[in-house]
Amino acid sequence: QKEVEQDPGPLSVPEGAIVSLNCTYSNSAFQYFMWYRQYSRKGPELLMYTYSSGNKEDGRFTAQVDKSSKYISLFIRDSQPSDSATYLCAMSGNTGGFKTIFGAGTRLFVKA
Amino acid sequence: GAVVSQHPSWVICKSGTSVKIECRSLDFQATTMFWYRQFPKQSLMLMATSNEGSKATYEQGVEKDKFLINHASLTLSTLTVTSAHPEDSSFYICSARTGAHTGELFFGEGSRLTVL
Repeated sequence: QKEVEQDPGPLSVPEGAIVSLNCTYSNSAFQYFMWYRQYSRKGPELLMYTYSSGNKEDGRFTAQVDKSSKYISLFIRDSQPSDSATYLCAMSGNTGGFKTIFGAGTRLFVKA
Repeated sequence: GAVVSQHPSWVICKSGTSVKIECRSLDFQATTMFWYRQFPKQSLMLMATSNEGSKATYEQGVEKDKFLINHASLTLSTLTVTSAHPEDSSFYICSARTGAHTGELFFGEGSRLTVL
């Protein structure tokens, strides 16, 4: 079993839809949770950073962490074609030297 | 967020030559930087952890003599692909952490290497 599981998709939605992206993990020592957006042939861009459990909102993006279920989510409201990219979840904690573990990435397509 | 710059963004070289890729943290000091390799439509594969002033820590299966990593200062790490071969063609990305135990990683723009 991988430490971090993420459905690679692809996920295709119409413009304006609410997008839900998710990851599950197995290591209860993870404390830091991140979501990255990666456009083709570019480096990942940090979208959301959350420490421990709870919700965090930034514009159209909301990140949720449920440590009891070992489940994290990223919601994108009013999705735009420019949101089409690969979204990577990532996490780290006081384990393995704070090494960051990445999900496989979910490819998202937002159709105009 | 913090800025990490990577150079060159793309490079083409002949088989057997060596290629150096630079990774710089522009507005913060990074005691630790990371180098990844990414194949098309796949996730990031951690190659090595680069620590300022000490030897890099390589992941299992990564040839340390093929991929030389130097972290000479708190703002610069370099990856040198030695005696490159076509199978080394890939997208190489660096990242840096702002603190030893914080989670946030900031990535460079990536470098696409094509070996002919």
